[in-house]
Amino acid sequence: EVQLLESGGGLVQPGGSLRLSCAASGFTFSTYAMSWVRQAPGKGLEWVSAISGNGGNTYYADSVKGRFTISRDNSKNTLSLQMNSLRGDDTAVYYCAKTAGGSWRSGWGDWGQGALVTVSS
Amino acid sequence: DIQMTQSPSSLSASVGDRVTITCRASQTISSYLNWYQQKPGKAPKFLIYAASSLQSGVPSRFSGSGSGTDFTLTISSLQPEDFATYYCQQSSSVPHTFGQGTKLEIK
Repeated sequence: EVQLLESGGGLVQPGGSLRLSCAASGFTFSTYAMSWVRQAPGKGLEWVSAISGNGGNTYYADSVKGRFTISRDNSKNTLSLQMNSLRGDDTAVYYCAKTAGGSWRSGWGDWGQGALVTVSS
Repeated sequence: DIQMTQSPSSLSASVGDRVTITCRASQTISSYLNWYQQKPGKAPKFLIYAASSLQSGVPSRFSGSGSGTDFTLTISSLQPEDFATYYCQQSSSVPHTFGQGTKLEIK
């Protein structure tokens, strides 16, 4: 059974930093692209970032480019999102997600339970 | 970036009704269109990929169609557990943009 467990969320001041982690199990982690998707309170889903299975390719939404960094450790089956220069509009539940198949284009088939990030003074 | 527009934004229906949600892409995305269901306080659930392929375990009352820029999600006979918010998402190119969501409510 695929399991994705996010951690690292919390309250941070504007301009601060936070690192989210996603512990994966139940599948061969290194063979799947992974992503982060967020949802601001009462709002819709926003794709944030994605990384290929070997970590060689990374992609970001314009809203986080230059501030967030996605990475993965395939030896530890862990996905990470380093978030710097946080702003109020970064407040959201952050989900990690796994591709449904071997391709970026196959959709995001499995999701974690989410980690809440609140940016406020 | 490709913009995804869903309609309607909200919909009231009754158990047993047939409902259709539409999703339009701002440019052609072939069949790289996915649908998700989300219930309050829960993570999204993957329903349909490649516009019309049902994810394993998803009831057959759900179906998807379309290609190019226009897509639909149809629920043939609404069940109580289907009342939720539905999102389309394109996976043709990054960023993998979502539609704004369609909230399906009980009439």
